[in-house]
Amino acid sequence: QLQLQESGPRLVKPSETLSLTCTVSGGSISTTNYYWGWIRQPPGKGLEWIGSIYYSGRSYYNPSLKSRVTISVDTSKNQCSLRLNSVTAADTAVYYCARDAVPGGSVDYWGQGTLVTVSS
Amino acid sequence: QSALTQPASVSGSPGQSITISCAGASSNVGSYNLVSWYQQHPGKVPKLMIYEVGKRPSGVSNRFSGSKSGNTASLTISGLQAEDEADYYCCSYAGTNTLVFGGGTKLTVL
Repeated sequence: QLQLQESGPRLVKPSETLSLTCTVSGGSISTTNYYWGWIRQPPGKGLEWIGSIYYSGRSYYNPSLKSRVTISVDTSKNQCSLRLNSVTAADTAVYYCARDAVPGGSVDYWGQGTLVTVSS
Repeated sequence: QSALTQPASVSGSPGQSITISCAGASSNVGSYNLVSWYQQHPGKVPKLMIYEVGKRPSGVSNRFSGSKSGNTASLTISGLQAEDEADYYCCSYAGTNTLVFGGGTKLTVL
């Protein structure tokens, strides 16, 4: 059974960089049929797509976050990672790692999510 | 990239049918048959209920169905059950490998 697990600091200071890693188990991240991405949900609010990456390293981002986001993939470790720069309190959210079937828009596997709080 | 528009809340009695709309634009919903719907119970991870407008993943009840007309997609739940009470989100492919979500709809089973 495919499993996605997010890991990383739960507390980040304003203006610093949020970094999370998603470890995929029970399947390979090096598949032609899926993207691996990040989706977030501020407390009490809706879902927001952050971006995704193909195993080849080609990445795609939400235009509203593009200037601050980097998603990378490490196929040797079966992991993908998220970096979000210059965070503010508005970036406080549950961050989900997710798998999206090509060509896109069918997010069929989700990690459990990790709450990241931006606070000094 | 504007979010898709969903009603904030809908409600229905057990056994009834309800429909949740998801209004987009010609750049997303209107141009691609890549609309999906997610169910999220409080404190839980979202679950894929419908993909590619009207397809159901294995294990999802056939009480859930999806459709699209123009720039608006819809999720219909028939034979409403108490366990269907949850938040529902639509999502659409928006071109150049990007996705956009709706704001979410809270379904209350009366």
